[in-house]
Amino acid sequence: QITLKESGPTLVKPTQTLTLTCTFSGFSLSTSGVGVGWIRQPPGKALEWLALIYWDDDKRYSSSLKSRLTITKDTSKNQVVLTMTNVDPVDTAAYYCARSRGTQTYYFDYWGQGTLVTVSS
Amino acid sequence: SYVVTQPPSVSVAPGKTARITCGGNNIGSKSVHWYQQKPGQAPVVVIYYDSDRPSGIPERFSGSNSGNTATLTISRVEAGDEADYYCQVWDSSSDQIFGGGTKLTVL
Repeated sequence: QITLKESGPTLVKPTQTLTLTCTFSGFSLSTSGVGVGWIRQPPGKALEWLALIYWDDDKRYSSSLKSRLTITKDTSKNQVVLTMTNVDPVDTAAYYCARSRGTQTYYFDYWGQGTLVTVSS
Repeated sequence: SYVVTQPPSVSVAPGKTARITCGGNNIGSKSVHWYQQKPGQAPVVVIYYDSDRPSGIPERFSGSNSGNTATLTISRVEAGDEADYYCQVWDSSSDQIFGGGTKLTVL
């Protein structure tokens, strides 16, 4: 059974750094073709892709947020961490992690439940 | 950067066919994936690589992609199909892109 679960703070102050952890089970991030990505969704708005890390440690970032994002993996712990610097209230959103299948033209076949992060002073 | 466009809403009566579009320049040359999201839940993939259907997704869900439009078709619509639907594509200039979403209302 494949599961993913996001964890991290629910409230962050503006200008602070947000660190989110995705803990997964049922698959290995060392398997060829597998990746784990992050997607967010502001309340009432559309999905927005943020970043993805592949099994071979290749990393991809949203061009609009690239300067603020870092994605890393710990294969031994089955975790992927996303760091976002200098957060702003517009970063308030549900943050999802999801497993990807394929390369470049991949899709997300398993998703976590999401975690709501509010940015406010 | 590449842009994909979805209609904000689509309404359909039960038992009828719903068609949700995802428009983009020459999108027919790209792979399109579709997700269903119900309120308070994470998205679920219903169609991947234009027309493939994951196990567990009813055959009523199908997809096509040609020219400047990809289409998610839901046949014999049921009340339980009411949800937001998002398309996803990859483009070399923007990497992953999600459409703005379409709210499907079952009348």
